[in-house]
Amino acid sequence: DAKTTQPTSMDCAEGRAANLPCNHSTISGNEYVYWYRQIHSQGPQYIIHGLKNNETNEMASLIITEDRKSSTLILPHATLRDTAVYYCIVRVYNNNDMRFGAGTRLTVKP
Amino acid sequence: GAGVSQSPSNKVTEKGKDVELRCDPISGHTALYWYRQSLGQGLEFLIYFQGNSAPDKSGLPSDRFSAERTGGSVSTLTIQRTQQEDSAVYLCASSSRQSKYGYTFGSGTRLTVV
Repeated sequence: DAKTTQPTSMDCAEGRAANLPCNHSTISGNEYVYWYRQIHSQGPQYIIHGLKNNETNEMASLIITEDRKSSTLILPHATLRDTAVYYCIVRVYNNNDMRFGAGTRLTVKP
Repeated sequence: GAGVSQSPSNKVTEKGKDVELRCDPISGHTALYWYRQSLGQGLEFLIYFQGNSAPDKSGLPSDRFSAERTGGSVSTLTIQRTQQEDSAVYLCASSSRQSKYGYTFGSGTRLTVV
């Protein structure tokens, strides 16, 4: 039970912003939202995480709604190398139990 | 080590043979997951180890699959009497409770059963 729902696939034009949505309507107050991505058949890699405030790092931005029931991962200027499967997961910070769902397959097109 | 190490990176085996896949987690990480990923599919949870607690084996697809974790460190996933449908990439990940990045994944073992 991954506790999140994401669209199966999305396309994005190279150079444009990619906005990947995630619904986590049953999120608890102490659960963080994590995003990972998996390029081809490599192991998933951490991108970003947040609790309730919006977060930004060198890879992406994370926008969490005020009610925390959904979030959006933003890749500001998508490149062909951003083509990957993106996973949204919720996790209690001090708990190791994280279960991955099917994720969103993002295809960046030239 | 600096990352999660899995071996072998590739394994080709004949149907009916047993195989062992190894995962060496990041030193000090108390939690360890095994996932399986078939071609073009998502991550399929297999088993979860957390410290000295009994592992969560709910994802193991059949009794041909087993895993152990010795001394809270290295883990071995064993598949007995392999079948062609076992062909997949087997991924291992480890974490500690204090790790704000969640899990770190290894590069996986690509198993091909012929």
